[in-house]
Amino acid sequence: NAGVTQTPKFQVLKTGQSMTLQCAQDMNHNSMYWYRQDPGMGLRLIYYSASEGTTDKGEVPNGYNVSRLNKREFSLRLESAAPSQTSVYFCASSEFRGSVDTGELFFGEGSRLTVL
Amino acid sequence: GENVEQHPSTLSVQEGDSAVIKCTYSDSASNYFPWYKQELGKRPQLIIDIRSNVGEKKDQRIAVTLNKTAKHFSLHITETQPEDSAVYFCAAFDRGSTLGRLYFGRGTQLTVWP
Repeated sequence: NAGVTQTPKFQVLKTGQSMTLQCAQDMNHNSMYWYRQDPGMGLRLIYYSASEGTTDKGEVPNGYNVSRLNKREFSLRLESAAPSQTSVYFCASSEFRGSVDTGELFFGEGSRLTVL
Repeated sequence: GENVEQHPSTLSVQEGDSAVIKCTYSDSASNYFPWYKQELGKRPQLIIDIRSNVGEKKDQRIAVTLNKTAKHFSLHITETQPEDSAVYFCAAFDRGSTLGRLYFGRGTQLTVWP
């Protein structure tokens, strides 16, 4: 099992360019998440998808869009990249259990994005 | 939404000593509190978690305690080793009105000196 796979691992963009981060999981999890990690700021939720066909905003959704393509795949799109979006992005998945808990989050290896 | 505060932001200890990281949360409805460890350049991984109906949980050298009244929980690492050096994140699961969400603290950089 590969777990959670995200691509690309590194990307450099110019301000205003667009790009899509891809994420796929092979654990048959219901829920998938996109986080960004910045120094001293912890892990901040951008968007999440509790189940196939649904998406919800997290703490920092501005400037991003997501697509839950199917149960396995959850992509994150930057339509017009800005320097403030320079960060490390993590995709994660879990067996979400409604009001009980998220279950263990399994993270991908991360994607380091630099916007010049 | 939930607000999770984590202290200290950095912690240095000598090998063999104990380390304690503390977190507070704001929403009394939060009911699940995991801890994640992130080694340098790696992905975060769950190391231990606790639910609101339990006051303490241990797993070998690590333990987590929860005080629901005071709304704080702590990670305790005993007999620290250099491989414990990492960033540790606490989190709280806020059940919310419809779908619950996990809120992370800002992390603690633990350095264990040999």
